[in-house]
Amino acid sequence: KQEVTQIPAALSVPEGENLVLNCSFTDSAIYNLQWFRQDPGKGLTSLLLIQSSQREQTSGRLNASLDKSSGRSTLYIAASQPGDSATYLCAVNGGFQKLVFGTGTRLLVSP
Amino acid sequence: DGGITQSPKYLFRKEGQNVTLSCEQNLNHDAMYWYRQDPGQGLRLIYYSQIVNDFQKGDIAEGYSVSREKKESFPLTVTSAQKNPTAFYLCASSILAGEGDTQYFGPGTRLTVL
Repeated sequence: KQEVTQIPAALSVPEGENLVLNCSFTDSAIYNLQWFRQDPGKGLTSLLLIQSSQREQTSGRLNASLDKSSGRSTLYIAASQPGDSATYLCAVNGGFQKLVFGTGTRLLVSP
Repeated sequence: DGGITQSPKYLFRKEGQNVTLSCEQNLNHDAMYWYRQDPGQGLRLIYYSQIVNDFQKGDIAEGYSVSREKKESFPLTVTSAQKNPTAFYLCASSILAGEGDTQYFGPGTRLTVL
């Protein structure tokens, strides 16, 4: 059974820092991996989707990498801003669009 | 203005009652999903539907029921058989149940059992 773990569970940084969020999964047979953002009491917003054949995806200040063989993905946020404060979730798609989610990393960026 | 709408935003239920959560999408997506989110936990799949009049159980379907009579709508009923229904419920949709498509999420419904 696929299990997804995210470390750290919470992270607090000053504005302007570059930071890395980690996601690991136990079964490397995945179709893709997604990173989502969730603001308190809100739904999820898709940030990046990496297909299993890809190594990384970039969108603005965000860069996500995927190492399927080792079961790891990282989300790199450059020059963090207070508006980046949210919970970040990764999810792996093992088939039929059935996503398995991690428990998330709660990020706080202080001005 | 395309998107996924969920209603109500907050819902209170007495023990022993059934309640229905609404999910509507105007994105012309084929597939729709229901997830449950508990504090400090990731989302867990309740039910999903790839086509009208067809749906499959997810990982935690016990105590829940769904219908898919229209492409745009995928209501979730939380029955009295669900022992711990207090949670945040999220609906999602995707273009089709292919493997390369992202899922788009609604704003969620917070259900509280009194």
